[in-house]
Amino acid sequence: DAGVIQSPRHEVTEMGQEVTLRCKPISGHNSLFWYRQTMMRGLELLIYFNNNVPIDDSGMPEDRFSAKMPNASFSTLKIQPSEPRDSAVYFCASSLGELAGSYEQFFGPGTRLTVL
Amino acid sequence: AQSVSQHNHHVILSEAASLELGCNYSYGGTVNLFWYVQYPGQHLQLLLKYFSGDPLVKGIKGFEAEFIKSKFSFNLRKPSVQWSDTAEYFCAVSGGYSSASKIIFGSGTRLSIRP
Repeated sequence: DAGVIQSPRHEVTEMGQEVTLRCKPISGHNSLFWYRQTMMRGLELLIYFNNNVPIDDSGMPEDRFSAKMPNASFSTLKIQPSEPRDSAVYFCASSLGELAGSYEQFFGPGTRLTVL
Repeated sequence: AQSVSQHNHHVILSEAASLELGCNYSYGGTVNLFWYVQYPGQHLQLLLKYFSGDPLVKGIKGFEAEFIKSKFSFNLRKPSVQWSDTAEYFCAVSGGYSSASKIIFGSGTRLSIRP
């Protein structure tokens, strides 16, 4: 099992540029989560999907952030335009969800984003 | 609303010392409880979990946690820590019968082990 796959692992961009982070969940998992981790704010849930449908996006900081899950094996988190305060490590996680009786989340390696 | 409190932000211990990290949660219904560990530069990994049954849960690497329902607590313990246990530890809770598996994480406790 390859686990949760995220790309890129590192991204350095300039303020104002569009950034797209990608995630491939574990096959068969039906819930997908996007988190942001910073020293100041810790681990924050941004948005999560269940069966490809966004369930709760209350953690998305503002309209510059958007997330999609076009199918069960792929999700993107986009920031447009990016700002220096968006610099953080972004984690994607997936889980089997309630119907399968399992709630453990499996995390990807993260994308370290630096906005100059 | 669900919430998780980890009161110790940074714990420093010497090797072979015993460890207990506090975790208290606030939730009105059936809960599932987790401890995750994040080693330096790595992603979060599950250390142990409680869904039901025996409130004393044993996890990987000699860690255990005890669910005390009356105290809304799920403290993490290890009798003798090693330098390799240096990491950040996150307690988390989810509702047992929620419509989706949303987990609320605590703010984390950084554990530093002196060799």
